[in-house]
Formats: sequence, C-alpha cells, structure tokens
Amino acid sequence: DTEVTQTPKHLVMGMTNKKSLKCEQHMGHRAMYWYKQKAKKPPELMFVYSYEKLSINESVPSRFSPECPNSSLLNLHLHALQPEDSALYLCASSGGTGRNSPLHFGNGTRLTVT
Amino acid sequence: QKEVEQDPGPLSVPEGAIVSLNCTYSNSAFQYFMWYRQYSRKGPELLMYTYSSGNKEDGRFTAQVDKSSKYISLFIRDSQPSDSATYLCAPGDTDKLIFGTGTRLQVFP
Repeated sequence: DTEVTQTPKHLVMGMTNKKSLKCEQHMGHRAMYWYKQKAKKPPELMFVYSYEKLSINESVPSRFSPECPNSSLLNLHLHALQPEDSALYLCASSGGTGRNSPLHFGNGTRLTVT
Repeated sequence: QKEVEQDPGPLSVPEGAIVSLNCTYSNSAFQYFMWYRQYSRKGPELLMYTYSSGNKEDGRFTAQVDKSSKYISLFIRDSQPSDSATYLCAPGDTDKLIFGTGTRLQVFP
C-alpha cells in the first residue's frame, strides 16, 4: 500500500455529472500534484500545489477544478467531462517542489466518462 | 526530438536474467533522475533516485547516469517474476518531471 491514499478507486460518471476525486497524504509533504495517465502512456502533469497554493496549471480545461483544503488533502472537482477524459487520475506528493524531493504516487482513481 | 526517449518493449526475459532498461534525454540541464515501477492498475512506485552522473545501487537494482551522453540506465540483477511491470524513467526537477513512455518488462519462470 502507498502512503498517498486516493478515493474512490473507480468512478463512472455521465457527461452532465459533478463528482470529486480525493487524495490524502500523512507524510508531512508540502507539495501535491495531480497527474492524468491514459492507457500505455506516461503520466501527464495537470496541477501542482505548493504550500496549499496552486503553483502550476498545465493549461488544463476548466472542467477540472483542483482544491487544496490543507497540506494533507487534495481534491479534483469534475464537471461536464467528455468521454476522452476517461483515464487514471494519479495524485502525488513530495517534500517540496525543490529538486531534492522525489514524487510519491497514490494508486489512482480510474475514471470512466460515459 | 522528444525530451525523453525510452524503448517501450515489451522485454521478455527468463527468471534470473540481468535486465538493462535505458533512456536517453535531450535537456542537458537535467540533474535529477528517477526510475519508477508501475504494476498493472497501480500508481508508479519510486524505485531509484539519483543526482548527476554516476551509479547508485539498492539491492538488486542499479541506476546509472551518464550526463555526457544524456543516457540513463536501470539494471536489475537476478530478475524475478515479481519484477514484471512497466518501468518509467523520469529525469528533471520534481515539478518538471518528464516521464519516458515506459518499458514493459516480463520475467517468466
């Protein structure tokens, strides 16, 4: 088991639904990340939070809305998604966005948009 | 030219073999190099983390970085069926990791 916990493990939603993905870490890390991974592809960075502030948004469509309520929690709010948004959504954390802080990933939420 | 190139495999080897996984990268500014292992339907798991050129060993795993040729390698000794997974190289800084496409490894008994 990883030290980054993501819920739910699986999610099926329609294009008009609103849902949220949740991520929690208790390693005292101060940076948290959302990645998207399509089948047989590497993870792609979506958002970075550093000290609970959004520091990087990789031009992600507004139907994805991140939220960092505190240093241990990270949410990704989903609304009006498209079928092509179906993917594995990975949360990660690190000690900081500095160079000496490797990423630790959760096991992801497998999202299917119908 | 892609920033990181990695042979997608699949690479199929017998148990006990020495496995060599490789990546090339284009950005000479990269100083941090990570290898992740990803099992099917799981998140990537950090295997090795090295800084600059040189070797780093951890049990059956050795990571090697040659910055002069922009070439990074992961060696697995005495490979086991449990090593069957996709291996992703990832050079760069934490918030600018560039993942390779991953090499799928299968170790058969």
